Amino acid sequence: GNSVTQMEGPVTLSEEAFLTINCTYTATGYPSLFWYVQYPGEGLQLLLKATKADDKGSNKGFEATYRKETTSFHLEKGSVQVSDSAVYFCALRGRDDKIIFGKGTRLHILP
Amino acid sequence: EPEVTQTPSHQVTQMGQEVILRCVPISNHLYFYWYRQILGQKVEFLVSFYNNEISEKSEIFDDQFSVERPDGSNFTLKIRSTKLEDSAMYFCASSPPDWRGTYEQYFGPGTRLTVT
Repeated sequence: GNSVTQMEGPVTLSEEAFLTINCTYTATGYPSLFWYVQYPGEGLQLLLKATKADDKGSNKGFEATYRKETTSFHLEKGSVQVSDSAVYFCALRGRDDKIIFGKGTRLHILP
Repeated sequence: EPEVTQTPSHQVTQMGQEVILRCVPISNHLYFYWYRQILGQKVEFLVSFYNNEISEKSEIFDDQFSVERPDGSNFTLKIRSTKLEDSAMYFCASSPPDWRGTYEQYFGPGTRLTVT
């Protein structure tokens, strides 16, 4: 079945550091791929998405490129801020109606 | 900007009791979902609902669970007889009609259910 694997956390970085959170997936067909973010005490917010191979999703300085050849959708940001501290979930939606989430990666940004 | 809302934000109940979690999806959306997140674990799909019936459910969604859209705005999840392992954050989501098939789902803030 479909699955998502993302790097274990927590990830701790200093402000203005470069961020990469790795995500790989297993799916039949051509899934849509997402990154969701969960700030402390809040619900899930869609951060960015990509619906086909080589698409790049971007939002708030974050980017991720849909790589079919490596079945990956790594999240990157060039310069993180303290306000980016949150849990980040990689996710996919296949041909059925449900979203499959990774386990989440907790990100701590130190001032 | 329209958003999905959920009530209550936190529900405490005793084992064996019935609970109803409430959601108000975004008004023009047609697809509705429930997910749950046990503390420290991944978010898991429970059920999807369209056109007043369940379209898909996971193995978690057994006979103790039911969903309903009792009127034009609310979408509820009922747990008939709660167990300790039902303690989790429950997220409601809704999705608009989307001819492109990208089916973006908008999530509510969640209801934290604690079963004692």
